[in-house]
Amino acid sequence: DSGVTQTPKHLITATGQRVTLRCSPRSGDLSVYWYQQSLDQGLQFLIQYYNGEERAKGNILERFSAQQFPDLHSELNLSSLELGDSALYFCASSVPGGLGYTFGSGTRLTVV
Amino acid sequence: QKEVEQDPGPLSVPEGAIVSLNCTYSNSAFQYFMWYRQYSRKGPELLMYTYSSGNKEDGRFTAQVDKSSKYISLFIRDSQPSDSATYLCAMKHTGNQFYFGTGTSLTVIP
Repeated sequence: DSGVTQTPKHLITATGQRVTLRCSPRSGDLSVYWYQQSLDQGLQFLIQYYNGEERAKGNILERFSAQQFPDLHSELNLSSLELGDSALYFCASSVPGGLGYTFGSGTRLTVV
Repeated sequence: QKEVEQDPGPLSVPEGAIVSLNCTYSNSAFQYFMWYRQYSRKGPELLMYTYSSGNKEDGRFTAQVDKSSKYISLFIRDSQPSDSATYLCAMKHTGNQFYFGTGTSLTVIP
């Protein structure tokens, strides 16, 4: 167990729907990062939050949004889902100034 | 052009072989270099990290960085079946974002 908890582990939903992925960072970590992993694109950075504030944005679609709550857990909201959104979504956390991430086990999203 | 390029493999070697995994990059601002290992259906786990050029050894693993060539390598000695996984390189400059390679799939055959 890495200490980063992601729920749910698997999600199957239809096109056009909206889903919420949840992440609890490792105890003491203030930064949360969201990544999308697909076979052809590898790990793509979506967005980072630090202590409740958005810190950096990557290749995140406008249909996607995220937030980090006062208890430091984070949620990634995906709306108007398309088939191409099917992927593994990882959350990672790190300590301030940390060089490495600790990843969760991911949420496998399948859009049908 | 992607900022980080990594040969996806797959790579298949016999047990006990020396494995060499490589990444090239284009951004000369990268200063921190990491290798992650990802088992099937799991999140990536940090294996090693290095700062600047040179070698770093940890048990059977050696990470090598050549900043002049923008090339990093991970060597695995005496490879074991338990080393079978996907290996991802990652890089970072002074900003917050990490840049990952697409990963190399490795299978070590007993």
